[in-house]
Amino acid sequence: GESVGLHLPTLSVQEGDNSIINCAYSNSASDYFIWYKQESGKGPQFIIDIRSNMDKRQGQRVTVLLNKTVKHLSLQIAATQPGDSAVYFCAGYLSGGSYIPTFGRGTSLIVHP
Amino acid sequence: DTGVSQDPRHKITKRGQNVTFRCDPISEHNRLYWYRQTLGQGPEFLTYFQNEAQLEKSRLLSDRFSAERPKGSFSTLEIQRTEQGDSAMYLCASPERGEKLFFGSGTQLSVL
Repeated sequence: GESVGLHLPTLSVQEGDNSIINCAYSNSASDYFIWYKQESGKGPQFIIDIRSNMDKRQGQRVTVLLNKTVKHLSLQIAATQPGDSAVYFCAGYLSGGSYIPTFGRGTSLIVHP
Repeated sequence: DTGVSQDPRHKITKRGQNVTFRCDPISEHNRLYWYRQTLGQGPEFLTYFQNEAQLEKSRLLSDRFSAERPKGSFSTLEIQRTEQGDSAMYLCASPERGEKLFFGSGTQLSVL
C-alpha cells in the first residue's frame, strides 16, 4: 500500500513570506500526487498535481517539487496571504493500482498579518 | 463550487439511530468516492463506485455501513445503529480529467 505524511502539523508564517510544506511518501511505486487545501467546514480543494515523470510543476503562486530519490514532495506558496490559512494535504496514487488516493495527516498553515 | 453536492451539511443524531447521506457528483463522471475525516486527520478512504458498481471497500467500512449508487448517478451512504465513534465529516468526491478528485463540502455527523 501507500502511506503519506506531512512533516509538521503546524506552520506559522508572516504575510508576504514564502511558505514551504513538506510531505513524505512510503511507496516508490507512487506515480501521481496532488496537493489539497482545506478550509474550516469545507471539503478539500485541489491546488496542484504532479506526476512522477516530473520533478517540478508551477501554478499561480504555488510550486510543487518532487524528489523521487528520497520520496519527498513539497508545496511552496509564494507571498503567502491570510487567505492561504488552511490545512494542506498531500495525496498519493500508486501506479497500476486502483484509483484511490491516500491522504496524509495535513499541515495547518497559519498566516499572520 | 466543485460541482459535487452533499446533503445534509450537518446531521446530529442519537446513538443507535440510522442516518443516510446523499451525494450528487459531477454529472457524467463515472467514478464516485466516499471518504471519512475526523478532526486533525486527513480523509480516509471508505469506498468507491464505477458507475453503479461498488468496486472497492475499506476495512473501515463495517457491516453497519452501506453505500449505494443506483443508476450510476447520485450515491447514498447509510450508517445503521450509529455509535459515537462514527462522528466525523463524510466527504464525497468525483474525479475530473482523470484522477483529480473534486470534493463536496461534506456532511458533518455528530452522534450524541
